[in-house]
Amino acid sequence: GAGVSQSPSNKVTEKGKDVELRCDPISGHTALYWYRQSLGQGLEFLIYFQGNSAPDKSGLPSDRFSAERTGGSVSTLTIQRTQQEDSAVYLCASSAGGSGNTIYFGEGSWLTVV
Amino acid sequence: EDQVTQSPEALRLQEGESSSLNCSYTVSGLRGLFWYRQDPGKGPEFLFTLYSAGEEKEKERLKATLTKKESFLHITAPKPEDSATYLCAVQVYSGGSNYKLTFGKGTLLTVNP
Repeated sequence: GAGVSQSPSNKVTEKGKDVELRCDPISGHTALYWYRQSLGQGLEFLIYFQGNSAPDKSGLPSDRFSAERTGGSVSTLTIQRTQQEDSAVYLCASSAGGSGNTIYFGEGSWLTVV
Repeated sequence: EDQVTQSPEALRLQEGESSSLNCSYTVSGLRGLFWYRQDPGKGPEFLFTLYSAGEEKEKERLKATLTKKESFLHITAPKPEDSATYLCAVQVYSGGSNYKLTFGKGTLLTVNP
């Protein structure tokens, strides 16, 4: 596609439910990032995929969070047993990989846990 | 630990009043410094990448510069449509094939007509 596509754009879920957020990166991009942005806060790194390498999961805040990337393209971020503090915008980004290449962001998935 | 600090947190300017935003960083092995613009409810929009001290890049009313410790985003004769949050991020090598991108908290710029 022309840009990074994320879905859903908005999600309201009940506390304790599981949610899945999807990211479709720019075609051909080997690197994919997930970030979280809480209200009034900066972007918090969650996880990074680069080609077939083991992902950098160092930013995942708890074991309720997981992500996978199938076929080196689409990625899904899963949050199990959601809590109110999980409410945030989840941003996905992709790049051609490596050092210094431009990193493009999607519009984000707004998650509200009630 | 990699650190990125942006200042000021918020800046109000009158239309036409030039100013600068600062991004200071402490990292090991900078691979790139990125500037983004973020409008409310939108994802960050890429502006510039700087790779080495002394480098400068320009786009319309914006000019980004880089030293070994900090970067500046200079805004010349701003217009109300330049109002946004400006984000700075540093990219460092984090092992294997991985390059981590760490963001500052941003500067909220408001340009009044």
